[in-house]
Order: sequence, then C-alpha cells, then structure tokens
Amino acid sequence: DAMVIQNPRYQVTQFGKPVTLSCSQTLNHNVMYWYQQKSSQAPKLLFHYYDKDFNNEADTPDNFQSRRPNTSFCFLDIRSPGLGDTAMYLCATSVTTGRYTEAFFGQGTRLTVV
Amino acid sequence: GDSVTQMEGPVTLSEEAFLTINCTYTATGYPSLFWYVQYPGEGLQLLLKATKADDKGSNKGFEATYRKETTSFHLEKGSVQVSDSAVYFCALSTSRAGTYKYIFGTGTRLKVLA
Repeated sequence: DAMVIQNPRYQVTQFGKPVTLSCSQTLNHNVMYWYQQKSSQAPKLLFHYYDKDFNNEADTPDNFQSRRPNTSFCFLDIRSPGLGDTAMYLCATSVTTGRYTEAFFGQGTRLTVV
Repeated sequence: GDSVTQMEGPVTLSEEAFLTINCTYTATGYPSLFWYVQYPGEGLQLLLKATKADDKGSNKGFEATYRKETTSFHLEKGSVQVSDSAVYFCALSTSRAGTYKYIFGTGTRLKVLA
C-alpha cells in the first residue's frame, strides 16, 4: 500500500547529540511536512517542502533543519537536542493537484532526549 | 491568524452512548475542514473531511457538517464503541502560495467504557 513511513519509530538520544529522523513516501506527493507534537498538545508545524522549496515557520528554532534530497525522502535534523525537544515528530504529505485535500501522516517517531 | 478551537477532554462515555465533540474555527477565505483520529503511540489518521459549506463528511458512523454561518464542524456518532477510544483532532487547511497548511485543535481524548 502507498503510504508515509517514518524511521525509527522510537529514538533515544543524549542531550546535545545530533539526531536525524527520516520519512519516506510512496504517494508521489509534492508537499512534505514535519510536525512536532508534545504530550497532550496539537501537532505544531515546523516546516514544509513544496517540491524543492523549503518553507520554515517563523517560530521554528534554528536547531531544527530539514533536507529533501528527492521527492520520496525527507529528513529532520536536530543539531543539538535539548530536553524540551522530547516529543513525537510527525511527517505528512499532501498534493497540490487532484481531489485529495487532506494530509497523509506517517506513524511518527517518538524522540526522547536524555 | 487561522485557528481551531475544540472542546477540552477527556470525554468519558458508556458504550452505545451518543457522542458530540465541538469544534469551531477562525479562518480567512474558505478552508477545508477535517477530523483526524490518533490512537496511542500512532500517527494521525483521517477520519472524515468536508471541503465546502454545508458538506457533510462521514466515515465509520461518524459525521460532521461544515457550517459556515456558525464556523463550526462538530463531530457526532450515534453509538460509540470501546474501539473508538482515541484522541480526536479537528483541523483546517488553507491554501498559501499554492500549498496547503494544516492547523490543528488541541485534541479531545475520548474514553469509552464497556
């Protein structure tokens, strides 16, 4: 089945140690998003790619970076994770043409910073 | 800016009870509206959607009607089951520079007791 896949599902990293989360999609969607979801809160958009164009949200910390080497893959890099970055990170896709207006989400990566 | 407000939880119901989760929104233009469901440790799954005023979205016994005059999109189900226990997010999407941006409410946790 076409889908959005995130790896790993669970990640534990040390304070200040760089970490990379990955997302792949078989939907061939041209837009990919990264959301941060802290416990019992709404998902918060960090940034998105429209094709190769990167769009950062104004309040996304500089500590968070992203790469999209091709249509199928997108990475979230946290350069120096702090304890406050412990959260679920959700990758999503959407398409700007056709009848689908919703975002398709992966299962998420639960990141714990210790 | 655009925003979504939904009723706070948790909502606790007995099996076969009637469910309503209120959702109102603020948006410029004409957003699409969604309900997503999140099971423990999982990503978000689309439950239903409506793309224009007076549309009714429905799926798995859940329904919601896009009410432009009251800027609302309340979720209802006539008879809940234990398996419906999850967190429900109301969301809207608006078109910005050719892509969709998705904004979520804070989520409502539903617990259904047997």
